[in-house]
Amino acid sequence: AQSVTQPDIHITVSEGASLELRCNYSYGATPYLFWYVQSPGQGLQLLLKYFSGDTLVQGIKGFEAEFKRSQSSFNLRKPSVHWSDAAEYFCAVGAVTGGGNKLTFGTGTQLKVEL
Amino acid sequence: NAGVTQTPKFRILKIGQSMTLQCTQDMNHNYMYWYRQDPGMGLKLIYYSVGAGITDKGEVPNGYNVSRSTTEDFPLRLELAAPSQTSVYFCASSYSLETQYFGPGTRLLVL
Repeated sequence: AQSVTQPDIHITVSEGASLELRCNYSYGATPYLFWYVQSPGQGLQLLLKYFSGDTLVQGIKGFEAEFKRSQSSFNLRKPSVHWSDAAEYFCAVGAVTGGGNKLTFGTGTQLKVEL
Repeated sequence: NAGVTQTPKFRILKIGQSMTLQCTQDMNHNYMYWYRQDPGMGLKLIYYSVGAGITDKGEVPNGYNVSRSTTEDFPLRLELAAPSQTSVYFCASSYSLETQYFGPGTRLLVL
């Protein structure tokens, strides 16, 4: 069975500083990997995804993530954080079967941005 | 396109009551999913559907039922509400085996 670990429950960064959110996954085959963002009281919005090919993927809002198979990681990065990036971030791994793409989510990382 | 819509946004239930959470998508997606989100626990898959008339259990199906009579609608039914079902419920849909699009959620409180 697949699993996702987000080791940081809370992270605080200053506006303008760089950001890296960690994600480690466990999956027997080549994974489908996702990062979603959730603002308070809102649903989940897709930031970026990795299916195959280039291991550095670009997403919306200036985010990027790098797939490292040797480390089973898919860390999310942003060079300069904006106050509006404060939200909860979820990493997810997808298991593609005949029943669709069943996502397994990590427990999330709450990002706080200090002005 | 409205995307994925869910109703109601918030509901309080008494123990033992029943209710249906509605989910509708207008993207002609064949796959639909129901998740629950508990604090500090991420999202857990309750049920999913690969098309009209076909549903299957996810990771935490106990206490819930679903149906899929049309491509657009995927309601989630709670028959005998329990405090353990207090959670935020998200519906999602996808066209293929790729990106899932989420609704805004339904916050349910069972007292």
